[in-house]
Amino acid sequence: DIQMTQSPSSLSASVGDRISITCRASQNIDNFLNWYQHKAGTAPKLLIYAASSLHSGVPSRFSGSGFGKDFTLTISSLQPEDFATYYCQESYTNPASFGQGTKLEIK
Amino acid sequence: QVTLKESGPALVKPTQTLTLTCTLSGFSLSNTGTRVTWIRQTPGKALEWLARIDWNDEKYYAASLKTRLTISKATSTNQVVLTMTNMDPVDTATYFCARIWVDERPPRYYFYMDVWGQGTRVTVSS
Repeated sequence: DIQMTQSPSSLSASVGDRISITCRASQNIDNFLNWYQHKAGTAPKLLIYAASSLHSGVPSRFSGSGFGKDFTLTISSLQPEDFATYYCQESYTNPASFGQGTKLEIK
Repeated sequence: QVTLKESGPALVKPTQTLTLTCTLSGFSLSNTGTRVTWIRQTPGKALEWLARIDWNDEKYYAASLKTRLTISKATSTNQVVLTMTNMDPVDTATYFCARIWVDERPPRYYFYMDVWGQGTRVTVSS
C-alpha cells in the first residue's frame, strides 16, 4: 500500500492567517490526490480532488497544489469555521490510503 | 439531494459480528457508475478505508481486514451492508459510508468521496 505522510500533525493559527499543510506519498501518485476536512461528529467534506481541483461549493480560500509525491493544501485566510482536521488521500490505487491527519487549532 | 445514512448497533461484544447498513438517497446503486465505500475512524486516529462495492457488484477490501469483511448491496432497498466478524475492542470506531464519484478526464479517472454519511459510532466491549 502507498503510505501518505502529512505534516505537521497539528498546527495552531489565528483567524486571517495563511497556512499550508503538506502531504507526501511513498511513491509517485501523479496528481491522484484528494483533501478532506473533518470536524468531530460530522461528515467529512471533500475540499480538493485531482490535487488542485476545487470541489463544488468549497470557498476559494482553499487551494491545492503538487504532483508526483509532494502536495500542499493552502488556506489563504483562515476563517473560524476552518478549524478542523484535514486529511489527504491518494486515489492512485485501490484501496486508497489516507494521511494521518493535521489538526488545525485556534491560537 | 444526495444523502447516505449509516445505521447499526452502538455496542457489540468481543467476538461478535457487526452488521452496518448504509441507506442511500438521491442516487441508486443500480445506476452504472455508482460506487459506495465504507471508512472508519478509530478514537484519536486517522481515517481507514475498509471496503467498496460498485454498481456491477465488484467488491474491494482493505488487505489487513479482508478475511473479516463482507460488503454487499440490496438494490431493491438501495442499501449497502457491511459485516465485520470477530469484533475486538480495537475495532471501536465511527464508521462512515460515502459515495465515490469519478471525474473522467481520459485517460485519467479521478476517484473521490464527494458525499459522506454522518457516521455511526460502534463500541466493542463486554
